[in-house]
Amino acid sequence: EVQLVQSGAEVKKPGESLKISCKGSGYDFSNYWIGWVRQMPGKGLECMGVIYPRDSETSYSPSFQGQITISVDKSMTAAYLQWSSLKASDSAMYYCARWDGGFGYWGQGTLVTVSS
Amino acid sequence: QFVLTQPPSASGTPGQRVTISCSGSSSNIGSKTVNWYQQLPGTAPKLLIYTNDQRPSGVPDRFSGSKSGTSASLAISGLQSEDEADYYCATWDDSLNCPVFGGGTSLTVL
Repeated sequence: EVQLVQSGAEVKKPGESLKISCKGSGYDFSNYWIGWVRQMPGKGLECMGVIYPRDSETSYSPSFQGQITISVDKSMTAAYLQWSSLKASDSAMYYCARWDGGFGYWGQGTLVTVSS
Repeated sequence: QFVLTQPPSASGTPGQRVTISCSGSSSNIGSKTVNWYQQLPGTAPKLLIYTNDQRPSGVPDRFSGSKSGTSASLAISGLQSEDEADYYCATWDDSLNCPVFGGGTSLTVL
């Protein structure tokens, strides 16, 4: 069974760093693009970027370029989304999802709250 | 504003047929395939339709998708209370290096 399991909810202060994870199982992790999707409270879905685990090729949506870092550890079958300095506006639910012509499998989401 | 335009809301009564539209342009829907996602309250989105009109296994055939030119539609027949959710259309966007989503349509079953 294909599963994407994300790390738990985080509460951070502005300016702090954060790295959340998405662990894949039940499939050949290296051969499917993984994307990260943001959903701000009460709002729609926004794709932040995608990564191909086999060679770590990464593409960022222009709105998020320079604001985040997407990485992967093939040995751990995990993808990561990282911020070096959080802002209050980063408060949102973050989903990872496997791309195979569509985002066919999703993680359960990681809620990030940034507040002083 | 969203590149793909959806009505913000739709509604229907149990058993009814409802359609949700998604309007784009020649650079997105007009040249790419369309996916539809269902997001039930408090849950992660779920792929409902891929490649314009294909259903993943497990998705009831009450759900159907179509595409014509620069527009796409999701139809739900035999509406059920459990269909109350947000629905998003999406297509790959080369300029974003990511899929682009519509703004979402909140479906209410009256």
